Amino acid sequence: QQQVKQSPQSLIVQKGGISIINCAYENTAFDYFPWYQQFPGKGPALLIAIRPDVSEKKEGRFTISFNKSAKQFSLHIMDSQPGDSATYFCAASLTSGGGNKLTFGTGTQLKVEL
Amino acid sequence: EADIYQTPRYLVIGTGKKITLECSQTMGHDKMYWYQQDPGMELHLIHYSYGVNSTEKGDLSSESTVSRIRTEHFPLTLESARPSHTSQYLCASSPGHKVYGYTFGSGTRLTVV
Repeated sequence: QQQVKQSPQSLIVQKGGISIINCAYENTAFDYFPWYQQFPGKGPALLIAIRPDVSEKKEGRFTISFNKSAKQFSLHIMDSQPGDSATYFCAASLTSGGGNKLTFGTGTQLKVEL
Repeated sequence: EADIYQTPRYLVIGTGKKITLECSQTMGHDKMYWYQQDPGMELHLIHYSYGVNSTEKGDLSSESTVSRIRTEHFPLTLESARPSHTSQYLCASSPGHKVYGYTFGSGTRLTVV
């Protein structure tokens, strides 16, 4: 059972455009929602994250929008650049037993074209 | 420099061989994790540890085993490799609180022939 659904699977955006990636989750016990960015040959790296009691968080060109009632959240990349070309994963964190486990979405391959 | 290291980066091995994938971190993190990443990108948690001598199985069933004898070291072992074990294995660590996220290694790409 896929607890975190992510779309689209791939995305091509022109330089300067807006990239939008969407995620939906099932488990209301998730308590934190990070996004990770992965370049080829590297492990994922934390990009930005949001708490479920906040509707929006912005860091530079990256913004998370969060809709708790719909159990959906999205990543917006403004003024997309070729250097943003990477795979993006949404994730949901579940705190238990003294730690937290991340459940990842299926990933979105973003390509930003000149 | 604080970091997390995985070795080897690439491994091609024959069926039936025993292998150990190494993962070490220099950040003093208590929490460590192993994820298996499909060719189609999806990440699945296969093992995690919240401290020395503590290991748990993750959400995806795996024939691998792990150990945590030292805080900085979290190796993953396959007793008898099979072609179905071909995948990328990613190790991660965390200081524990969710806001700090995970730090991932660069992964080991395993091919079993």
